[in-house]
This record gives sequence, C-alpha cells and structure tokens, in this order.
Amino acid sequence: VQLVESGGGLVLPGGSLRLSCAASGFIVSDHYMDWVRQAPGKGLEWVGRTRDKVNRHTTEYAASVRGRFIISRDNLKNSLYLQMNSLKIEDTAIYYCARAGDVHNHFVSWGQGTQVTVSS
Amino acid sequence: AIQMTQSPSSLSASVGDRVTMTCRASQDIRDDLGWYQQKPGKAPKLLIYSASTPQSGVPSRFSGSGSGTDFTLTISGLQPEDFATYYCLQDFEFPFTFGPGTTVDV
Repeated sequence: VQLVESGGGLVLPGGSLRLSCAASGFIVSDHYMDWVRQAPGKGLEWVGRTRDKVNRHTTEYAASVRGRFIISRDNLKNSLYLQMNSLKIEDTAIYYCARAGDVHNHFVSWGQGTQVTVSS
Repeated sequence: AIQMTQSPSSLSASVGDRVTMTCRASQDIRDDLGWYQQKPGKAPKLLIYSASTPQSGVPSRFSGSGSGTDFTLTISGLQPEDFATYYCLQDFEFPFTFGPGTTVDV
C-alpha cells in the first residue's frame, strides 16, 4: 500500500490549488479516504473524508474548509483529490492523504505529505 | 465540535521508563478514540484504535485504555525510537478532532 501526494506549492491568498494523491496496492474506491493537514510547528487537523463506493463516495468536511474545499476521486486513475479554493494564509500546511481501516475509522496508511503555502 | 485535550503537553523520560499520557474529550465518545505517533518530518502512524485495540504490527509496549471522556496511552519500557509526539483522535462524530499532542523527549 502506498499513497503519494503531489500538487502542493506557493499560492496567493484567494487562489486555488488542487492536490492529488495517487494510490497503489489497493483500490481507492473501496475505501474511506481522508485528508489531514499540519500547519508549521502545529498539531494535526482533520480536513475531510470521502466514503467508499458502497456509500456513494459521500463527503464530510471540517468547518474551517467547508464550502471552499472539495474532495473527489478518479477511479480510473486510482487517485484522490483535494480541490482548494479561496485559499487563506491559515491554510498553509503540509497536507496528507490517508486511508481508513477496513473495520474502523482511523488512518492506517498515510502519504508523505505535500506542502501548501498561501502567501502574498 | 468535540474538543480534545491532552496532558501533559510534553514530558521528559528515559529509555526503559513507563510513560503515561492522557486524552480527554469534551463529551462522551464511548471508545471511539485512536492514538497516533508522529516523528519530526514524518507522517503520523496509527498505534491504537477503539481506545484499546493495537494496530497490527505495533509493539506490545504500547497500550491504550479508557472510555467515555478519559483515555490513557501507556508505553511500558520506553525505547529510543519512541521519542516522538503522540496525538489522540476522536472518531465518534464529524468533524473528527485531534488533541494538541504530547511530546515525549529525553
């Protein structure tokens, strides 16, 4: 099982960015997938979740990103995405994608993370 | 949202020590809690889920207990590779929320 994030970078406040998470070793559509972020020198913050295909890939979001961020999947590419719009300085963080366990909600596999910096 | 607190925020310990840290939820979360270990520059690693069930492959020196609002992570016989920051996470309801972490250092 491997998760590889990409797409991070420097963006202006108010801008947009799309993060990708390429999965191997398992089928993304069969699992709950999450995004978690970590601001510089800070703790972990859960960003959002997309459920598996049985649950129609429904989503949940943290209040801090709801209405600005969108989680999606591409089953053909076996990938997860995080579309981030109306970015704020406080969105600056390392963003991790993670796979939840088969019998519980917790994150059993993580990517290496991708850095997003929102700055003027 | 459910608020999670952890104590202490940091602790100093030595190899071989028994280390205990706590996590408290702002409301009853049953046993819907996990513990993660994070080392600098690395992604977190799941240690415990459902408050007390060890994730596959996690050394037996890590154990979790508690239910309701109060939870404990214990490391029995601290090893050099255990110096890290530990986070609890509630998955009782959305939004999932992490505690602020406990850093274990020398």
